[in-house]
Amino acid sequence: DAGITQSPRHKVTETGTPVTLRCHQTENHRYMYWYRQDPGHGLRLIHYSYGVKDTDKGEVSDGYSVSRSKTEDFLLTLESATSSQTSVYFCAATPGLASSTDTQYFGPGTRLTVL
Amino acid sequence: SQQGEEDPQALSIQEGENATMNCSYKTSINNLQWYRQNSGRGLVHLILIRSNEREKHSGRLRVTLDTSKKSSSLLITASRAADTASYFCATLGASGSRLTFGEGTQLTVNP
Repeated sequence: DAGITQSPRHKVTETGTPVTLRCHQTENHRYMYWYRQDPGHGLRLIHYSYGVKDTDKGEVSDGYSVSRSKTEDFLLTLESATSSQTSVYFCAATPGLASSTDTQYFGPGTRLTVL
Repeated sequence: SQQGEEDPQALSIQEGENATMNCSYKTSINNLQWYRQNSGRGLVHLILIRSNEREKHSGRLRVTLDTSKKSSSLLITASRAADTASYFCATLGASGSRLTFGEGTQLTVNP
């Protein structure tokens, strides 16, 4: 798992509340990603980061924001959680400068339930 | 829409048999990767094949790539119960920097 941890691992929250998920890596990877995994959709990219304070949107970014103030931490925030954001969230990281050819290392996932 | 689509969605075999999973994609790629996911865990990278390669091997894994048909296959030989997992293909577009994942094949290997 290339030293990638996620916290919390499980969370139950209520509609309308803000939620922040944390991804922490110990390998100094430059690129980091947030995905969500839902039945019938595989993994879908939410946001990604190509360096400290450098982020970009993925295919399902609405309702989510991210921040990366340090190389090792990538935060995903749900500003106002909705039931449609109930999912399993995975963080991933890619080593080196050439992210386009490197493989991705995944964290263990966070199971989020929005009631 | 998803770039990679796996086939079949589910596959059940006996230990010792070979398992073949297929992946089709729609646009030109830089490379194609296969990942495994055990239940309740994150994805683990298995193998990467570049667009100018046709076949790669890694242990009991064999991956082929046919860019003319925009398809790839993953063969697991002499399967074991521990191979039970979901398998995903992921493609990196020729001009992109992000992977696009398919929906996966659920493989069950019965002892």
